[in-house]
Amino acid sequence: SQQGEEDPQALSIQEGENATMNCSYKTSINNLQWYRQNSGRGLVHLILIRSNEREKHSGRLRVTLDTSKKSSSLLITASRAADTASYFCATDAETSGSRLTFGEGTQLTVNP
Amino acid sequence: NAGVMQNPRHLVRRRGQEARLRCSPMKGHSHVYWYRQLPEEGLKFMVYLQKENIIDESGMPKERFSAEFPKEGPSILRIQQVVRGDSAAYFCASSLAGFSPLHFGNGTRLTVT
Repeated sequence: SQQGEEDPQALSIQEGENATMNCSYKTSINNLQWYRQNSGRGLVHLILIRSNEREKHSGRLRVTLDTSKKSSSLLITASRAADTASYFCATDAETSGSRLTFGEGTQLTVNP
Repeated sequence: NAGVMQNPRHLVRRRGQEARLRCSPMKGHSHVYWYRQLPEEGLKFMVYLQKENIIDESGMPKERFSAEFPKEGPSILRIQQVVRGDSAAYFCASSLAGFSPLHFGNGTRLTVT
């Protein structure tokens, strides 16, 4: 299977709830990034976590990285309807030079 | 400070025609990437370029597809003799340096009829 697989494929929650998305990857990485994509638009970078970091915060976002399990999670706290989007993890593998490999994404729907 | 600009936003071509997609990176960015996205799927890497050089084209089909990033002007992704399977959204991204976050344009949606 490919580098960077998100789980679940789709997630539907109520406003105010927390949303957790997971990403697994196969090879050693330099860093892992999360991006968001609104329908019909380009991706927007959310957060980058380096391979020697375990946790990172940015506003309502919390990202964890477990290199031993080759997995990462993105937590969005106190979700809002405006958080509705697709979320992708992207890995910068040690063997792939500078290109990012994206997963298939998690479609998050936050219901008002 | 303008972001990554892609044009056109929508492009319709008949089978056998050529498609030219343009991308102007963010000011000061010298690294450009092209990705393709099919509906409900993630982005698939196509090619990575720096000014006047192709660094990695491992994701780009060997035939009909080419990309350039000249010293002056935008990066161009060119698809010759388009087929229906080329219909997709093509995204360009730029970065200040390798390994740094990518800044994406809003894509060109190519439809081959």
